[in-house]
Amino acid sequence: AQSVTQPDIHITVSEGASLELRCNYSYGATPYLFWYVQSPGQGLQLLLKYFSGDTLVQGIKGFEAEFKRSQSSFNLRKPSVHWSDAAEYFCAVSGGGSNYKLTFGKGTLLTVNP
Amino acid sequence: NAGVTQTPKFRVLKTGQSMTLLCAQDMNHEYMYWYRQDPGMGLRLIHYSVGEGTTAKGEVPDGYNVSRLKKQNFLLGLESAAPSQTSVYFCASRRTSGRGNEQFFGPGTRLTVL
Repeated sequence: AQSVTQPDIHITVSEGASLELRCNYSYGATPYLFWYVQSPGQGLQLLLKYFSGDTLVQGIKGFEAEFKRSQSSFNLRKPSVHWSDAAEYFCAVSGGGSNYKLTFGKGTLLTVNP
Repeated sequence: NAGVTQTPKFRVLKTGQSMTLLCAQDMNHEYMYWYRQDPGMGLRLIHYSVGEGTTAKGEVPDGYNVSRLKKQNFLLGLESAAPSQTSVYFCASRRTSGRGNEQFFGPGTRLTVL
């Protein structure tokens, strides 16, 4: 069965600092991986996704993520965080089968200090 | 396009009452999903549908029923609400085929069962 682990429940960074959110997945074949962001009181918005090709993927709002098969990881990064990036971030994996179900991690809450 | 919409946005029920949550999408998507989000638990799949007239159980289906009579609508029903069903409910949809296609999420329904 597929699973996702986000080791950090809560991260606090200063505005302008760099950010890395960790995501580890478990899936037997090539995974399809997603990062979503949820602002307070809102639904989820897709930041970026990986399903083939270049292992470094670029997303919206200046985010990027790197797929490392050897480490079963898909960490999200941003070189300089803005106050508006404060939100909860979810990593998800889509496995095989015909239903394309997503399995989500439990999320990482990001706080940005001025 | 409105994307994915959910009705209602908020609801308070008493234990034992019933209600139906409506999800509508105007993107002609085949697949639709219902999730619940609880603090520290991420999103967990309740039920899903791979097309009009079809439904299937997800990870936490007990106490819920669903129907997909029209392609654009996916209804989630609670026949006899329990306090354990207090949660935020999200609906999502995606295009047919292609593991790389992402799910699009609605804004959520916050349900409290007293």
